[in-house]
Amino acid sequence: SAVISQKPSRDICQRGTSLTIQCQVDSQVTMMFWYRQQPGQSLTLIATANQGSEATYESGFVIDKFPISRPNLTFSTLTVSNMSPEDSSIYLCSVEGESGSYYEQYFGPGTRLTVT
Amino acid sequence: DAKTTQPPSMDCAEGRAANLPCNHSTISGNEYVYWYRQIHSQGPQYIIHGLKNNETNEMASLIITEDRKSSTLILPHATLRDTAVYYCIVKTGNQFYFGTGTSLTVIP
Repeated sequence: SAVISQKPSRDICQRGTSLTIQCQVDSQVTMMFWYRQQPGQSLTLIATANQGSEATYESGFVIDKFPISRPNLTFSTLTVSNMSPEDSSIYLCSVEGESGSYYEQYFGPGTRLTVT
Repeated sequence: DAKTTQPPSMDCAEGRAANLPCNHSTISGNEYVYWYRQIHSQGPQYIIHGLKNNETNEMASLIITEDRKSSTLILPHATLRDTAVYYCIVKTGNQFYFGTGTSLTVIP
């Protein structure tokens, strides 16, 4: 299993500013993922981040708006840039890890962002 | 993009079996079906997964139809703590694409 922590757990930000969310894992993992969950909605995959390479973004998400860093095998950051109220969401990171004979994704507790 | 469809909500009496259906008619032969649940906007938690065969673990059972176009998650004896949003996910490569989920309410 993998234990994931995120910082901050929540924040209230003004429009036009940027926020960087940190994701820390207690073990080395190859693949990390960032998701957005808008109020009352399901999770939407933003991007996949592998250590040592550029993040791969899903349709509708761009690097200028959501730059991602992956400096080592236990850490990643997601920045939400030039924020607007529409960016108010929960942002979650996850990792793929082995659990016995199979792989599953482990999710962090999320960062609740409110943009005013 | 999500490959699953689920009913938006269901109720279940406490102590009874909860049967949550999922359609995944476009699933490919090597794609797994995973089930997760999310309680009170916490991070989703793994429940069970399968490819072709039915699976059972300490939390639930997963029944996959022979043509693999649909599946059912069974919570054999639902408790109040099982109230959550349940997501049926088709794993595509290394990525999870979440559908809209089913909000299960267990009623005392």
